[in-house]
Amino acid sequence: DAGVTQSPTHLIKTRGQQVTLRCSPISGHKSVSWYQQVLGQGPQFIFQYYEKEERGRGNFPDRFSARQFPNYSSELNVNALLLGDSALYLCASSLSGDQPQHFGDGTRLSIL
Amino acid sequence: GQQVMQIPQYQHVQEGEDFTTYCNSSTTLSNIQWYKQRPGGHPVFLIQLVKSGEVKKQKRLTFQFGEAKKNSSLHITATQTTDVGTYFCARHHTGGFKTIFGAGTRLFVKA
Repeated sequence: DAGVTQSPTHLIKTRGQQVTLRCSPISGHKSVSWYQQVLGQGPQFIFQYYEKEERGRGNFPDRFSARQFPNYSSELNVNALLLGDSALYLCASSLSGDQPQHFGDGTRLSIL
Repeated sequence: GQQVMQIPQYQHVQEGEDFTTYCNSSTTLSNIQWYKQRPGGHPVFLIQLVKSGEVKKQKRLTFQFGEAKKNSSLHITATQTTDVGTYFCARHHTGGFKTIFGAGTRLFVKA
């Protein structure tokens, strides 16, 4: 079975631009969570979606938004990019929100 | 608040030595999860502990959940170079819809 897949793997943007990251969960998993991981730190929770509804939001500005589609895939959007948004963005899926999470390989976002 | 603190931040060991990382919370935990992230990789789920005083083993790895459910530990016996990576504990925020990761303990193993 395929694991969690994320695209793209790498992305370079400039300040002020907008970016969309994509995630496909493991088949049968209905919950998708998004994390930001800065080098040397633990993953920081951004959003959790379950059955297409937002169930949790971390301490991130409104520039960050997400959605989940009927097939349970998800997109993370970040507007007005700042240098500080440079990070590894990880998507994780689980059967439900409180179950162990399975992470994708992440999208490495660099802001110039 | 609902943060989890991990110590040490990093540890260097000689191959064959033991290693322990600790995870502490100021509030009672409903459960604790442990993940391992290899350099350049993504976090991989290792185990979830739920019960007070629970001890679980996976080969050379021993996981413990404190009696008060405010702390947890991961012990690796006789480390190998394949154990290199960062070990994270993670808790669920009250309500279960937010997972909070610790800062991790990075393990270096010298052959």
